[in-house]
Amino acid sequence: EADIYQTPRYLVIGTGKKITLECSQTMGHDKMYWYQQDPGMELHLIHYSYGVNSTEKGDLSSESTVSRIRTEHFPLTLESARPSHTSQYLCASSDSGTGEWGDSYNEQFFGPGTRLTVL
Amino acid sequence: GQQVMQIPQYQHVQEGEDFTTYCNSSTTLSNIQWYKQRPGGHPVFLIQLVKSGEVKKQKRLTFQFGEAKKNSSLHITATQTTDVGTYFCAAPLHQTGANNLFFGTGTRLTVIP
Repeated sequence: EADIYQTPRYLVIGTGKKITLECSQTMGHDKMYWYQQDPGMELHLIHYSYGVNSTEKGDLSSESTVSRIRTEHFPLTLESARPSHTSQYLCASSDSGTGEWGDSYNEQFFGPGTRLTVL
Repeated sequence: GQQVMQIPQYQHVQEGEDFTTYCNSSTTLSNIQWYKQRPGGHPVFLIQLVKSGEVKKQKRLTFQFGEAKKNSSLHITATQTTDVGTYFCAAPLHQTGANNLFFGTGTRLTVIP
């Protein structure tokens, strides 16, 4: 069972509020990711990190920001939430292992997600 | 850019029927992964395929990677209600980092008892 945690699981807030979604993993993984997923839809990568003090934007533009001060912690912050930010946010992590065929083995472990509703 | 297309988007089957979902890419993939997401849940890794023409089985699930490494399939034999969920394929998206995954659109499977 993967040890990756997200809090809160559900959040309903008003427009303009600043929020931080927490994500922590105890597996010592270097790589961590944030995805945005609307109900029944595909996952879109919004941020990723390959290690401490390393953060990059993903393929979906997002007004959120992230930080990676500690290996195990990868919080996502929205400075001013809007209704368009309503979605599910999934955090994931992966190791830097090499598979039996010498290929990068980057299985991702997902947290339970945070369902955000902005009114 | 590199994309992974997945079909069908939805599939309804009677319990006991077989089910197949397909992933297709316009470019050669170094590997492909499959994930399952139960309703209300989060994606869970099922398997990774690396070799051309590779076939792997997990009980009633059979995964294939095409000879050209541009397509993959997941086949479930004799579906059960526990198979309900959305199945995603995912492949490395090198444009934004070699270790990042691009997820397909998913196939949502409904199993009618």
